Amino acid sequence: DAGVIQSPRHEVTEMGQEVTLRCKPISGHNSLFWYRQTMMRGLELLIYFNNNVPIDDSGMPEDRFSAKMPNASFSTLKIQPSEPRDSAVYFCASSLEVWGTGNTGELFFGEGSRLTVL
Amino acid sequence: AQSVTQLDSHVSVSEGTPVLLRCNYSSSYSPSLFWYVQHPNKGLQLLLKYTSAATLVKGINGFEAEFKKSETSFHLTKPSAHMSDAAEYFCVVRRNSGYALNFGKGTSLLVTP
Repeated sequence: DAGVIQSPRHEVTEMGQEVTLRCKPISGHNSLFWYRQTMMRGLELLIYFNNNVPIDDSGMPEDRFSAKMPNASFSTLKIQPSEPRDSAVYFCASSLEVWGTGNTGELFFGEGSRLTVL
Repeated sequence: AQSVTQLDSHVSVSEGTPVLLRCNYSSSYSPSLFWYVQHPNKGLQLLLKYTSAATLVKGINGFEAEFKKSETSFHLTKPSAHMSDAAEYFCVVRRNSGYALNFGKGTSLLVTP
């Protein structure tokens, strides 16, 4: 069974350009998370969706960042315009969560998208 | 707010010797705690999780962790290190609002021959 699939694996772009990162969660999972990993700040939650609805986007750094989940099998994280400080590894993760049950489902991570903004 | 503190940023052990990676948590209620492992250039993989059942939790690859409420700790151990255990390890607590996870800063485990 395929895991969480992210693309591209590596992206090098110039400051000011638009960047779009893509994620396909595991089929049947109803929650999707975007994390950013840097040496300085570690792993930070950017946003998470439940049943395609954004539940918590308080971690999104600023208006340059936006995320969408148009359907259960696809999500995007967009940065426009990109800046050098956005350079990081961006991880997508998915899980099966059931509200109200205290279900502590495991998060399954993709292999990440390494973004370098010059 | 729920948070975890990993007490060591780097740990070095010899192959065949025990591993101890330390984690303290802060939570106003009984937390859900996890350990994840990240090998170089890979995503994160769940090692084990504590969800208020048994306080001693066994995970994959011979790892285990013990939840100690009195010490607010959730240390990760393994009796005998393998070279393949070299990786970054994250202690994680689940937020009480929603299902997102808060990650510790990570501990880099080096295993020497």
